[in-house]
Amino acid sequence: EPEVTQTPSHQVTQMGQEVILRCVPISNHLYFYWYRQILGQKVEFLVSFYNNEISEKSEIFDDQFSVERPDGSNFTLKIRSTKLEDSAMYFCASRETPGREGRTDTQYFGPGTRLTVL
Amino acid sequence: DAKTTQPPSMDCAEGRAANLPCNHSTISGNEYVYWYRQIHSQGPQYIIHGLKNNETNEMASLIITEDRKSSTLILPHATLRDTAVYYCIVRFPGGYQKVTFGIGTKLQVIP
Repeated sequence: EPEVTQTPSHQVTQMGQEVILRCVPISNHLYFYWYRQILGQKVEFLVSFYNNEISEKSEIFDDQFSVERPDGSNFTLKIRSTKLEDSAMYFCASRETPGREGRTDTQYFGPGTRLTVL
Repeated sequence: DAKTTQPPSMDCAEGRAANLPCNHSTISGNEYVYWYRQIHSQGPQYIIHGLKNNETNEMASLIITEDRKSSTLILPHATLRDTAVYYCIVRFPGGYQKVTFGIGTKLQVIP
């Protein structure tokens, strides 16, 4: 069964450094999402992306964050200048295109990237 | 999206059915009930969803009450690998809709 993949599985960085988290969504999906989960807390929505633009973003997704679909397969999350509080699991998700009854709205999540900011 | 209420934790003996309840009394007519689970910091895994009819797939069954104000996720023969946090989510389909996770139910399957 097709899966969302994410790399790296664990990223350690120094405060103030830029990081890029990578995701390969399921191949026929056109809606993409990033979520994060700080240790012991809920999974939180960051941003959704469709048709090469952001469709919705949360308050967490400030100017330090950006997303990009640089080619036909990758979807990236960039954090420009990492802070200690950015340490979390980051999950990518993707969703099918509309038009198929029942499964049109299901988001499928990747395994996550654990980001540790020192 | 409608608010949901789930017990914070439950235990289930291995091999027995796990019945996870969810209350969603403010659900509207077009909102679906979705269930996801998260096994120890892995990515949330889709389990099943439904609108008003009961649904079954290879992972679980979803029983939705006639008034749609509550539902139950049933894992028919729980295994140790089913130990996870289970999230009941009510949301409208379509659009760019994000998934809003609550704290879920921590299911512990006991040998």
